[in-house]
Amino acid sequence: DTAVSQTPKYLVTQMGNDKSIKCEQNLGHDTMYWYKQDSKKFLKIMFSYNNKELIINETVPNRFSPKSPDKAHLNLHINSLELGDSAVYFCASSQAKRNEQFFGPGTRLTVL
Amino acid sequence: AQSVTQLGSHVSVSEGALVLLRCNYSSSVPPYLFWYVQYPNQGLQLLLKYTSAATLVKGINDFEAEFKKSETSFHLTKPSAHMSDAAEYFCAVSNDYKLSFGAGTTVTVRA
Repeated sequence: DTAVSQTPKYLVTQMGNDKSIKCEQNLGHDTMYWYKQDSKKFLKIMFSYNNKELIINETVPNRFSPKSPDKAHLNLHINSLELGDSAVYFCASSQAKRNEQFFGPGTRLTVL
Repeated sequence: AQSVTQLGSHVSVSEGALVLLRCNYSSSVPPYLFWYVQYPNQGLQLLLKYTSAATLVKGINDFEAEFKKSETSFHLTKPSAHMSDAAEYFCAVSNDYKLSFGAGTTVTVRA
């Protein structure tokens, strides 16, 4: 009965590789998000999708490409990984734009 | 754009003592405010939210927060700390399709 799930939980890869993180929510929400948490635990929005449409792209390098195949899924693909991409990536969802957001467990990405 | 500032990056309390975490907001419109908790190696869990109803908001695990417009504050309190309250706490404000978070406050609880 997990509300927001992400796979994988851990991802270790070499610089220059391409990787994807998947997110699914079973809450029936219409809005999904990707956040990045850096090593100092600061959380910052990357993308917001509402009804599969991109609403926010917060000056994220175009190596990051989100895709929302349907309202319940929001995946994140990262090309040409760099050391600075190492972080914890959180997916979240909400019903409507100002309501509380429900977060997934996070994906810890380590780029070597 | 709306923002929040958390005062104090680290708070240490004794078990059974009052927990007080400070958050001030900046907003040109009535804000929607949230407190989240993050336990080690986990995601964020909502503690409570303010959405322009009652100014005193009660949340889970005996946490509560009071919205004070005159002070632009939304401080989080818990009357008696438990060891299980050791975690990272984030204040956040909704900015239409995104949450803007404070820098977080690490809470440690001494036995």
